[in-house]
Amino acid sequence: GAVVSQHPSWVICKSGTSVKIECRSLDFQATTMFWYRQFPKQSLMLMATSNEGSKATYEQGVEKDKFLINHASLTLSTLTVTSAHPEDSSFYICSAKRGNEKLFFGSGTQLSVL
Amino acid sequence: TQLLEQSPQFLSIQEGENLTVYCNSSSVFSSLQWYRQEPGEGPVLLVTVVTGGEVKKLKRLTFQFGDARKDSSLHITAAQPGDTGLYLCAGYISGAGSYQLTFGKGTKLSVIP
Repeated sequence: GAVVSQHPSWVICKSGTSVKIECRSLDFQATTMFWYRQFPKQSLMLMATSNEGSKATYEQGVEKDKFLINHASLTLSTLTVTSAHPEDSSFYICSAKRGNEKLFFGSGTQLSVL
Repeated sequence: TQLLEQSPQFLSIQEGENLTVYCNSSSVFSSLQWYRQEPGEGPVLLVTVVTGGEVKKLKRLTFQFGDARKDSSLHITAAQPGDTGLYLCAGYISGAGSYQLTFGKGTKLSVIP
């Protein structure tokens, strides 16, 4: 089956630093990838839709200058949390869409900002 | 406004009991999916239902899509501790574009041995 790899699985960083999270589709090309944030015991909240070769589409309330998304190739999308603060601590998950088929999810990244 | 309402939010039951989780909306969905998520992991797709009235079974799990495609249910028979997890329903709203998957808030299930 299709696999989406997300890296790193967890990261701890100091307040004010930037963190980059990678999402790779390992065995298929994904023209569209999605980034979600999930707080403890809550559901996934869509942050942005990442389209290869174009600017990401952000959901209402998500700061595009804080959460930088780059989808430079058909197999890689990155999410950079810039100037991270403790309130950015969360579980971030990506997913990739293969054609018109179902979504394949990464295993998530737990971000803790001290 | 939450497009997909899931209930209950939390459920704690004894091993061997049956349970049902509901997913309701005022919107019509072209398809609806159920996921199970364990802590620290991404969601794993359990099933996709597409046709109104459709019923799908996956071992002890029975999924039903409402006739009007506005609601769905997940029934677990003889729950096991291994069923513990967060169950999420998610759907594509009919006519809204096929790329945006809307998630419910999830049902946190704990099965006590």
